[in-house]
Amino acid sequence: KQEVTQIPAALSVPEGENLVLNCSFTDSAIYNLQWFRQDPGKGLTSLLLIQSSQREQTSGRLNASLDKSSGRSTLYIAASQPGDSATYLCAVRGRNQGGKLIFGQGTELSVKP
Amino acid sequence: EPEVTQTPSHQVTQMGQEVILRCVPISNHLYFYWYRQILGQKVEFLVSFYNNEISEKSEIFDDQFSVERPDGSNFTLKIRSTKLEDSAMYFCASSPGTTSSEQYFGPGTRLTVT
Repeated sequence: KQEVTQIPAALSVPEGENLVLNCSFTDSAIYNLQWFRQDPGKGLTSLLLIQSSQREQTSGRLNASLDKSSGRSTLYIAASQPGDSATYLCAVRGRNQGGKLIFGQGTELSVKP
Repeated sequence: EPEVTQTPSHQVTQMGQEVILRCVPISNHLYFYWYRQILGQKVEFLVSFYNNEISEKSEIFDDQFSVERPDGSNFTLKIRSTKLEDSAMYFCASSPGTTSSEQYFGPGTRLTVT
């Protein structure tokens, strides 16, 4: 059974700092991995999608990497801003779990001005 | 930019009542999903739908739940007799294809059962 874990559960950094969020998954047989942003009480905004054949994806100040063999992904946020404050979720689409996404519990990020 | 929409944004209902949550997926998408998130917990998969039938469902999706695509645009989730533990945020998602496709999520419906 696929399990997705995110560390840390919460992170507080000063504005301008570069930071890394971690995601690990137990079954390396995946189609892809998505990173989402969730603001309090709101929906899920897709940030990056990495296919299983890819090593990384970039969008603006965000860079996501994938090491399928070790079951790990990282989301790197450069030059963090207060507007980046949100919960970041990773989700995997496993080859043994049909088309559904399996989510981690998220990392709550707070960027202090 | 096309987006998934959901109505209502917030639904309050009494235990035992039926509720219907509505979603309009992105128009050219073929795969549709419902997920839920109980406050403070992980987002959980409920059901996936393709070609007018359920393709996969979770253990949560019991006989009290049903989904329907009544016309070419709407996708609904019905809970026949709500329980307190059904209180959660319900998210609809759609994707253009399957295994390699990105899933796009709606803003969610917050269901409160009293």
